[in-house]
Amino acid sequence: EAGVVQSPRYKIIEKKQPVAFWCNPISGHNTLYWYLQNLGQGPELLIRYENEEAVDDSQLPKDRFSAERLKGVDSTLKIQPAELGDSAVYLCASSLGPDRGETQYFGPGTRLLVL
Amino acid sequence: GENVEQHPSTLSVQEGDSAVIKCTYSDSASNYFPWYKQELGKGPQLIIDIRSNVGEKKDQRIAVTLNKTAKHFSLHITETQPEDSAVYFCAASISSGSARQLTFGSGTQLTVLP
Repeated sequence: EAGVVQSPRYKIIEKKQPVAFWCNPISGHNTLYWYLQNLGQGPELLIRYENEEAVDDSQLPKDRFSAERLKGVDSTLKIQPAELGDSAVYLCASSLGPDRGETQYFGPGTRLLVL
Repeated sequence: GENVEQHPSTLSVQEGDSAVIKCTYSDSASNYFPWYKQELGKGPQLIIDIRSNVGEKKDQRIAVTLNKTAKHFSLHITETQPEDSAVYFCAASISSGSARQLTFGSGTQLTVLP
């Protein structure tokens, strides 16, 4: 079974530029998560989707971050404009969903460097 | 909200020895405690989890213990091998409506010396 797929794996941009990350969850997983992982820290939740609905986006900095999950499968996380402090690893995870399975499976992440 | 503290931040052991990583959590409502292993350049991978109605769980060389009264839980790895070298994260979770929200510790870099 294919795992969570993320692209790109690495991204280097200059500050104030836009950037987008893409995630394809495990087939059949209804719940999708975006996490931020700073160097030497554990992942921190940015947003959680149940199908195409964002049910928890309280930690998402909405002035510059946006996300979407059209058709309830793939998801895109966007930053515009990027700041130096956004340099981190952006992880996507998925789980079967409510009452079906709560184990979260993580993708390899996108490593962002903002110069 | 939930706060999870993890110790130690780094741990070096000789191959074949045991390794223990400890975590404490703040919210007594937390009822699910997974442990993840993260290798360099990869995402976290679940290695074992425990629920609040169980005090201990074991899977081959890995075991987890939970003390709900003290609000702490621990990961035990026996007969360590070089391939166990990685960063380990504990997490605590509270059911939030229809799904779980994980709060992670800050990680432990485990190095197994051959």
